[in-house]
Amino acid sequence: EAGVTQSPTHLIKTRGQQATLRCSPISGHTSVYWYQQALGLGLQFLLWYDEGEERNRGNFPPRFSGRQFPNYSSELNVNALELEDSALYLCASSSSGGLYEQYFGPGTRLTVT
Amino acid sequence: AQSVTQPDIHITVSEGASLELRCNYSYGATPYLFWYVQSPGQGLQLLLKYFSGDTLVQGIKGFEAEFKRSQSSFNLRKPSVHWSDAAEYFCAVGANQAGTALIFGKGTTLSVSS
Repeated sequence: EAGVTQSPTHLIKTRGQQATLRCSPISGHTSVYWYQQALGLGLQFLLWYDEGEERNRGNFPPRFSGRQFPNYSSELNVNALELEDSALYLCASSSSGGLYEQYFGPGTRLTVT
Repeated sequence: AQSVTQPDIHITVSEGASLELRCNYSYGATPYLFWYVQSPGQGLQLLLKYFSGDTLVQGIKGFEAEFKRSQSSFNLRKPSVHWSDAAEYFCAVGANQAGTALIFGKGTTLSVSS
């Protein structure tokens, strides 16, 4: 069974640009979560999508947004990039029934210059 | 406030020696606890989880963890460390419900010496 996949592996952008990160959940999982792992700040919850809707978001500004597609894959968009957005962005998925442990993908390394 | 504390930033253990990584949590609801491992440049791999029942849980790669409610702790152990165990380990707490935002500790980096 394939795990959570993310693309691209690395992304380099300049300040003020927009970044788009993609995630495909484990087959059968309907929930997708996004986390940011920034140096010195640790892992922080960004967003949760389930059944195509944004259900919860962490303490991040609105320029962090995304969507979930009918096949449950998800996209994270970061607008007006700032230097401090440089981080590893991790996507996780979970099933909607039973125990909700989250399984993580390999991440997208975003570098803002 | 909900939080996870991993008191040890960096631990070095000799290959073959035993390991214990500490984790303390503060959580308002019934905690569901996890340990994840992250190798350099990689995502997080779930090692084990505790939801309820037996307070000693077994995970992958020979790891185990013990939940102690009275001490608000969930320490990770391994009887004999292998060089391939060198990585960063994260303890996390959440609720057993859809959309739970996991709260992570800052992580403990494990180095293994030969």
